[in-house]
Amino acid sequence: QKEVEQNSGPLSVPEGAIASLNCTYSDRGSQSFFWYRQYSGKSPELIMFIYSNGDKEDGRFTAQLNKASQYVSLLIRDSQPSDSATYLCAVNNDYKLSFGAGTTVTVRA
Amino acid sequence: GAVVSQHPSRVICKSGTSVKIECRSLDFQATTMFWYRQFPKQSLMLMATSNEGSKATYEQGVEKDKFLINHASLTLSTLTVTSAHPEDSSFYICSADRYGESSGANVLTFGAGSRLTVL
Repeated sequence: QKEVEQNSGPLSVPEGAIASLNCTYSDRGSQSFFWYRQYSGKSPELIMFIYSNGDKEDGRFTAQLNKASQYVSLLIRDSQPSDSATYLCAVNNDYKLSFGAGTTVTVRA
Repeated sequence: GAVVSQHPSRVICKSGTSVKIECRSLDFQATTMFWYRQFPKQSLMLMATSNEGSKATYEQGVEKDKFLINHASLTLSTLTVTSAHPEDSSFYICSADRYGESSGANVLTFGAGSRLTVL
């Protein structure tokens, strides 16, 4: 079983819509969770992180964490063409980040 | 904000040669840096944890004699791919952990990555 699992996509959404990305993890002891965005040929850049159960909002992005279900998600509201990228879910285990394979998002203008 | 500089961004070398990649933390001290490798359309795989002043900790399956890591100062870690072969062609990315006062958390910041092509 992979440590961090994501749907690979591609996820295609029209401009202005909400993109919903899901991630599950296997280590119940994981404490911190991160979402990174990676454009093709570039290194990842942090979007946001979440530690506590519930929702955390930052601009057009909302992260949701449910530790009981070992599930973390990312919502992108008012999606823009510039949001087209691969989104990586990362989970902190023993001070090391484990990454999911990423979900590719395409926002159609 | 925290900046991690990585050099070179691209390198092409012949099979059997060695390649050195540098990773610098520009505005903070990094006692720990991490080296990742990413093959096309795959996720980042942690290769090793680089510790300032001590030996690196390698992940299972990563050859420490092939991927030499040196972390001689608080702002510089290097990865040397020795006797490179075509299967070593990949995107190598370094990162450093930094506590952010605005975020109140330790956050991993990535360098821009180095694309290695071994002919």
